[in-house]
Amino acid sequence: QIQLVQSGPELKKPGETVKISCKASGYTFTNYGMNWVKQAPGKGLKWMGWINTNTGEPTYAEEFKGRFAFSLETSASTAYLQINNLKNEDTATYFCARTGDDYMDYWGQGTSVTVSS
Amino acid sequence: DIQMTQSSSYLSVSLGGRVTITCKASDHINNWLAWYQQKPGNAPRLLISGATSLETGVPSRFSGSGSGKDYTLSITSLQTEDVATYYCQQYWSTPLTFGAGTKLELK
Repeated sequence: QIQLVQSGPELKKPGETVKISCKASGYTFTNYGMNWVKQAPGKGLKWMGWINTNTGEPTYAEEFKGRFAFSLETSASTAYLQINNLKNEDTATYFCARTGDDYMDYWGQGTSVTVSS
Repeated sequence: DIQMTQSSSYLSVSLGGRVTITCKASDHINNWLAWYQQKPGNAPRLLISGATSLETGVPSRFSGSGSGKDYTLSITSLQTEDVATYYCQQYWSTPLTFGAGTKLELK
């Protein structure tokens, strides 16, 4: 069955870097893009962008240009989200979600990132 | 950017009743609309794509309708397990955008 399994919770200090993984199984990884979605505590869903798993080309929503980076390890069917120079407002749960014609048909379980000094 | 407006942040519902959740886009999105269900502590779950197409495994008490800018998610005969927050999302254009969510609460 199709699964996206994300890495565990992270506790970081402002200014640090975090890298979250999303390992896919049950389908051909390069046939579907991967989205990243942010959910701040008690808030709604915000699309961060997506990465073309065939070409490796990332697309970022405007708010997420600069400190955020999507990458792949295709041989391991894994997508990554890296956030540099962490800020308090990056405290959130981050989801990876497979692209099914631009809607998101399968989701990871989410990775909680807490930024606190 | 296309803004998605869910007019109700909360809806008070009764078990066995019918619920209608509305979503309005700031521009025409040609039925490129998805609905998701999210329970506390869980990832969202895709319920409907293409405004009306029910995903495999989603109970038939869920249905989607609408066109142009206005869309609706309906739940008939509400069950306990349906108490959750529901989000609409347009995928007509990037950036992909979600509504703010509608949380169902039991009366």
